[in-house]
Amino acid sequence: DFQMTQSPSSLSASVGDRVTITCRASQGISNNLAWYQQKPGMVPKLLIYAASTLQSGVPSRFSGSGSGTDFTLTISSLQPEDVATYYCQKHNGGPKTFGQGTKVEIK
Amino acid sequence: EMQLLESGGGLVQPGGSLRLSCAASGFTFSNYAMSWVRQAPEKGLEWVSIISRGGDVTFYADSVKGRFTISRDNSKNTLYLQMNSLRAEDTAVYYCAKALLVGTVPSPFDYWGQGTLVTVSS
Repeated sequence: DFQMTQSPSSLSASVGDRVTITCRASQGISNNLAWYQQKPGMVPKLLIYAASTLQSGVPSRFSGSGSGTDFTLTISSLQPEDVATYYCQKHNGGPKTFGQGTKVEIK
Repeated sequence: EMQLLESGGGLVQPGGSLRLSCAASGFTFSNYAMSWVRQAPEKGLEWVSIISRGGDVTFYADSVKGRFTISRDNSKNTLYLQMNSLRAEDTAVYYCAKALLVGTVPSPFDYWGQGTLVTVSS
């Protein structure tokens, strides 16, 4: 069974902090990884795809990196509007498995 | 303006069936793969199924394989999900989602509908 494992499952940080979320694939997926943001009561929003390509309209404080099995989403300076749950997803062939999510809160 | 509007959700007994629809507008529907993603109450996202732009290629999550069937009608700009043998654990909001990249199944999803709630309970 293919799995995407995110860590941590939740975090609390101060406004202006640098925040990092990791995602590990159980098998190599090259750079076929996306990150989504889901704010409470809202539908998911695509932030990054192909591991590091910023989707149009997404603030530049969001960035992604990684390849193979290990990936990272970084928020360079956390803002109040970034409170959300973040999901990684493999987007290569076959099942488009999501990670279990990382909930980001403001301290 | 791009729009995805799901319908067909509701309350169904275990073992029952439902067919979800997703009406698309504001883009050339036939150019893009389409997918269903679900989210159980207070839980994370779970990918369910995807269909190629022509409808000839489909993939399913193991949790729904053999029970759910994805299809599309490009003449009606509509995506479907036929759900049979429903279980309590299928209770979720079901979202349809559009592939970002033209013409390919390997793609993230750049646009999501608002979702339709399916509740499986006796």
